[in-house]
Amino acid sequence: NAGVTQTPKFQVLKTGQSMTLQCAQDMNHNSMYWYRQDPGMGLRLIYYSASEGTTDKGEVPNGYNVSRLNKREFSLRLESAAPSQTSVYFCASSEIWDPASGNTIYFGEGSWLTVV
Amino acid sequence: AQKVTQAQTEISVVEKEDVTLDCVYETRDTTYYLFWYKQPPSGELVFLIRRNSFDEQNEISGRYSWNFQKSTSSFNFTITASQVVDSAVYFCALLPSIYNQGGKLIFGQGTELSVKP
Repeated sequence: NAGVTQTPKFQVLKTGQSMTLQCAQDMNHNSMYWYRQDPGMGLRLIYYSASEGTTDKGEVPNGYNVSRLNKREFSLRLESAAPSQTSVYFCASSEIWDPASGNTIYFGEGSWLTVV
Repeated sequence: AQKVTQAQTEISVVEKEDVTLDCVYETRDTTYYLFWYKQPPSGELVFLIRRNSFDEQNEISGRYSWNFQKSTSSFNFTITASQVVDSAVYFCALLPSIYNQGGKLIFGQGTELSVKP
């Protein structure tokens, strides 16, 4: 089972370059998320999409944009990359209203991004 | 305030020792979920357990057990007879309300467990 798939897994960018991280889930979940992980800080929510057609800011949205392309796909875009955006990015999905899964959030394998 | 604190940054044990990872949370919500995730050296996040605020029963799954105590706002994780494969970073996380459509998990800083042979 694929679950949550994100690409690319590794990327090096120069300051000022743009790029898009792609994410797709095959669990028919309504909600999708982008988190970043920095040393000693756990994971922090960048943006989320509660359902297709909606997106909202999380804790650390500055410098990012998102697109919920359809129910399966949720992309994260860095318009002008900065060294402070060097991080590991995780896409995730969940089905909030499913009693069986009960708000369990499933994560992709992570994307390591370095901005030089 | 909504917050999760994992005070232990790093723990090192020898194989077969028992180890407990501490998690203390803060929330004003009466309905919430708590989670533990494992992040092995390969980097992915592996879901371990979900507990809702109305269920204070302790849970055991093989060598893993969880102790949820609302009175002390703690959700501690114990590994019995640790193994080298348990070496990973472990995250405790809080979902403040089941009615929060954002599903905004609040993570602790993580505890890095090293199990030496």
